[in-house]
Amino acid sequence: DTAVSQTPKYLVTQMGNDKSIKCEQNLGHDTMYWYKQDSKKFLKIMFSYNNKELIINETVPNRFSPKSPDKAHLNLHINSLELGDSAVYFCASSQPGQGAVEQYFGPGTRLTVT
Amino acid sequence: DAKTTQPPSMDCAEGRAANLPCNHSTISGNEYVYWYRQIHSQGPQYIIHGLKNNETNEMASLIITEDRKSSTLILPHATLRDTAVYYCIVGSYNTNAGKSTFGDGTTLTVKP
Repeated sequence: DTAVSQTPKYLVTQMGNDKSIKCEQNLGHDTMYWYKQDSKKFLKIMFSYNNKELIINETVPNRFSPKSPDKAHLNLHINSLELGDSAVYFCASSQPGQGAVEQYFGPGTRLTVT
Repeated sequence: DAKTTQPPSMDCAEGRAANLPCNHSTISGNEYVYWYRQIHSQGPQYIIHGLKNNETNEMASLIITEDRKSSTLILPHATLRDTAVYYCIVGSYNTNAGKSTFGDGTTLTVKP
């Protein structure tokens, strides 16, 4: 069983397009995250949701809009894609009170904007 | 969250113990030390965490100094599959979300 899954694994698209990445976790966790890992391999948090409520929103362009339909899902929609959005995007989840920093990551979505 | 300092790279011979150090001199009393690793092209993988006592699980051991300003992750018998980037992170335990900051980490290369 895959604990944290993401779709698609690879996404190649042109500048200006709008795309979505989906994330699902079956761990029963209340908190989910989106991270961005750029070409220099630096892993940076973007958003965090706790029980469908946004609680962390780092300095991210408002072209990025997360949506959590329920606590098991956190999707990332990106409008007007730019070249600099090319990166690997990781979804993660954790359980408050059991180690909020003990996070479980998905396999990543490699986004390439041409 | 406190920042951490790790050496950029280390080598280890297969079958030997790999000792990965981490400095976290600004750690506060309620912050835990967490270790993750990221094998090439995969998502980061949680390894272990601790507050002040040494911890051991099936993957590794974590040794935290008495003043809590540094720690060492020990992989007792490194294998080629342990080649990865290892991240040391400090963060609070009982928060709604771990606003963890992943630094540059240590690239561990296990050699035959």
